[in-house]
Amino acid sequence: GAVVSQHPSRVICKSGTSVKIECRSLDFQATTMFWYRQFPKQSLMLMATSNEGSKATYEQGVEKDKFLINHASLTLSTLTVTSAHPEDSSFYICSARPPTVKYGYTFGSGTRLTVV
Amino acid sequence: AQRVTQPEKLLSVFKGAPVELKCNYSYSGSPELFWYVQYSRQRLQLLLRHISRESIKGFTADLNKGETSFHLKKPFAQEEDSAMYYCALNTDKLIFGTGTRLQVFP
Repeated sequence: GAVVSQHPSRVICKSGTSVKIECRSLDFQATTMFWYRQFPKQSLMLMATSNEGSKATYEQGVEKDKFLINHASLTLSTLTVTSAHPEDSSFYICSARPPTVKYGYTFGSGTRLTVV
Repeated sequence: AQRVTQPEKLLSVFKGAPVELKCNYSYSGSPELFWYVQYSRQRLQLLLRHISRESIKGFTADLNKGETSFHLKKPFAQEEDSAMYYCALNTDKLIFGTGTRLQVFP
């Protein structure tokens, strides 16, 4: 139980276009989801907290207008990278915390974004 | 400030050797700490929670509030333990350390 599904797993896009990444909680409801960015051989950096039915909370230094987050239902959060540039190329990971405490936080499998 | 420190980027041991991956935290409240593991090309997985005080895959971790540490230990490392290990502190969000890559040689 407590599975988070993330889609797509890989995406290549052209500079200047937008890309949407989906994160779904499959067997639980998540009022809060989290979006991370992971650079090669580095740790996960929290970008924002996605709140169902309200605005996302962004970490310091993360551009709200570039990384649009929508959390329209209790099982779906989306991250849209707008006007993507090569420096946005990275591994993006979503996470949620199931209501059953023993699971801790559960993570999606990640999306490898390459902007060319 | 809320912070998690993992001082070792890389830890290399031979199979059968003991392993200790260090984690120190900074948090003014009562900490909730986790160890996560990321095997090659796989998603991040929960390994241990300090609350549960259990042993998973032979790993244990004890919270030491006096030393603000939550070190991960295993008495006899196996090759399949090779992975990235992240210590994480839960506030209202999860804060990760920089991670330690464990390499276990045969």
